[in-house]
Amino acid sequence: GAVVSQHPSRVICKSGTSVKIECRSLDFQATTMFWYRQFPKQSLMLMATSNEGSKATYEQGVEKDKFLINHASLTLSTLTVTSAHPEDSSFYICSAPGDNQPQHFGDGTRLSIL
Amino acid sequence: AQSVSQHNHHVILSEAASLELGCNYSYGGTVNLFWYVQYPGQHLQLLLKYFSGDPLVKGIKGFEAEFIKSKFSFNLRKPSVQWSDTAEYFCAVNGLTGGGNKLTFGTGTQLKVEL
Repeated sequence: GAVVSQHPSRVICKSGTSVKIECRSLDFQATTMFWYRQFPKQSLMLMATSNEGSKATYEQGVEKDKFLINHASLTLSTLTVTSAHPEDSSFYICSAPGDNQPQHFGDGTRLSIL
Repeated sequence: AQSVSQHNHHVILSEAASLELGCNYSYGGTVNLFWYVQYPGQHLQLLLKYFSGDPLVKGIKGFEAEFIKSKFSFNLRKPSVQWSDTAEYFCAVNGLTGGGNKLTFGTGTQLKVEL
């Protein structure tokens, strides 16, 4: 079945560092990918829609300059958390639409900012 | 805008007990409805979905859900739970009018099944 690979699975870094998270569709092409953020004991919140060949679409309240999204190819989208601070610590999940279900999810990235 | 409400945040059951998790959504148009499960340490997996037709849908692992349009509900059920069903369950909705493939998730229900 369709698989979405997300890397890295866990990142621990100092405040002020920029962190890049990759999301790849392994056996299918994805012109659209989604980035979610999940706080502890809360639901997934859609951050942005990544569009191959064009700018990402950000949800209300998400800082586009803070969370840079690049959809470089039909199988790769990256999320860069720029100048990360402790409040950016969270679980970030990407997904890509499939044929018979709306989205296939990656395993997520646990980001911890010290 | 679409929203999803899950009323049970934590549920603890004994093996063989019956399960029903509530899910209500808010959206004025046609929707697709989903239940996802997240086992400890794993990614989200689709349990079942409703697009159209029979409002009672069967999913994997013995789960089923019933879409009641008049109540804006899509409750998840299983007649007899197993210890391996311990996981977090998310209800999600995809509004078809301008919603595209975007999903809105409920806050999740943590299910613990005790032996």
